[in-house]
Amino acid sequence: DVKVTQSSRYLVKRTGEKVFLECVQDMDHENMFWYRQDPGLGLRLIYFSYDVKMKEKGDIPEGYSVSREKKERFSLILESASTNQTSMYLCASNGKRLAGVESYEQYFGPGTRLTVT
Amino acid sequence: AQSVTQPDIHITVSEGASLELRCNYSYGATPYLFWYVQSPGQGLQLLLKYFSGDTLVQGIKGFEAEFKRSQSSFNLRKPSVHWSDAAEYFCAVGAPGTYKYIFGTGTRLKVLA
Repeated sequence: DVKVTQSSRYLVKRTGEKVFLECVQDMDHENMFWYRQDPGLGLRLIYFSYDVKMKEKGDIPEGYSVSREKKERFSLILESASTNQTSMYLCASNGKRLAGVESYEQYFGPGTRLTVT
Repeated sequence: AQSVTQPDIHITVSEGASLELRCNYSYGATPYLFWYVQSPGQGLQLLLKYFSGDTLVQGIKGFEAEFKRSQSSFNLRKPSVHWSDAAEYFCAVGAPGTYKYIFGTGTRLKVLA
């Protein structure tokens, strides 16, 4: 089974802190995603990476940056956390898997609930 | 541009009753369509997907969905709901052959004993 893991389930940070959220997938997927989930707004795409060192802005990239130095790892960075970034953050992956099998469905990690005080 | 609408924010059903969750999309051709479920405090789990072919799709946990091109809908159904089905359900749509999708705002299902 595809496994997507996120470094923390719960995180509490102070306003102005630099925050790193880490995501690792174990199926050699080409694509990785960071979403933000808020009540009534569903999932909104922050950033998308389609290869190592390649990234594309999603719908709400302001206040965030990303890093993908290795294929299996995709990091979301909040350069200076603010209270309006308190949210649930979900990582996902898909793409060509081992042995060349395409995987169009996205596989999700368990999420990180970030609180910025 | 693609869009997806889940008209019902909350739905409450009694255990054992049937369930239908609505999903409407906007796209010029037949898109890729997905239903996901999210239990409290968890990530999203894929229930089923539609790419092409038979318009009635079977998924996990006894769920099915029907693609209706004429109505631009992909509604999720279950004949008999269990208490463990209480969760939030998300519909997603994407262009064929692509990997990036748009998610609906979700429908929260409550099951009464």
